[in-house]
Amino acid sequence: SQTIHQWPATLVQPVGSPLSLECTVEGTSNPNLYWYRQAAGRGLQLLFYSVGIGQISSEVPQNLSASRPQDRQFILSSKKLLLSDSGFYLCAGGRDFGYTFGSGTRLTVV
Amino acid sequence: KQEVTQIPAALSVPEGENLVLNCSFTDSAIYNLQWFRQDPGKGLTSLLLIQSSQREQTSGRLNASLDKSSGRSTLYIAASQPGDSATYLCAVRPWDSNYQLIWGAGTKLIIKP
Repeated sequence: SQTIHQWPATLVQPVGSPLSLECTVEGTSNPNLYWYRQAAGRGLQLLFYSVGIGQISSEVPQNLSASRPQDRQFILSSKKLLLSDSGFYLCAGGRDFGYTFGSGTRLTVV
Repeated sequence: KQEVTQIPAALSVPEGENLVLNCSFTDSAIYNLQWFRQDPGKGLTSLLLIQSSQREQTSGRLNASLDKSSGRSTLYIAASQPGDSATYLCAVRPWDSNYQLIWGAGTKLIIKP
C-alpha cells in the first residue's frame, strides 16, 4: 500500500525566511503528487500538482514554488515567507487506485 | 464543470445510531470516488474508494455506495461511536482527467456519548 511521508510536523518561521517542505512516497511508482493548504476550519486549497518528474502545475499564483526532482519526491519551497503563508500544508499522492495523504505540516509564520 | 456537494454540512447524533452521509456530483462521467475522514489538526485518512464500475465498497462498519446515474454516493456508518467524530470528505476524479480531484466541502460529524 502507498504511504506518504511528510515532515516536519510543525514549523515556526520568521517573515522573510526561506521554506522547504519535503514529501516522499513509498509503495507506488509514478504517482500524481499534490500540495494542498488548509486554513483553520476551511477546505483544501490545491497549490501545486505534478504528473511526473520535473512537471509542475500551479493552481494559485503566490509566494510558493514546487519541484519534483525524483519520481517519489515532492518539495514545496519559498524564498521569502509572508505572514499569509501560515497554514496547514498537506502532501497527497496517487493515481488510478485512489489517493493517500501525509500527516501534514503546520506552518506558522511570525 | 463537475461540482461536488455534501449535505448536511454538520451532523450530531447519539452514540449507537446508524447514519448516512451524502455526496452528490453533477457529472456522471467519473473515474472513481473516494471517501476520507479528517480529524482536527490532522491529515486526511482514506476510508473507501469506489471505482466507476463498482456499486459499493465495505470496510468494517463503513459502507459506501455509488449511483452514477443519479450522481450520488452515500457513506453508511453502522453503530456509530464517539471515535467516529470527524469531518468526512468525498472527492471525485473525473473520467477525462488523470490528475483532477473535485472535493466536497465535507460533513462535520459529532457522535455524542
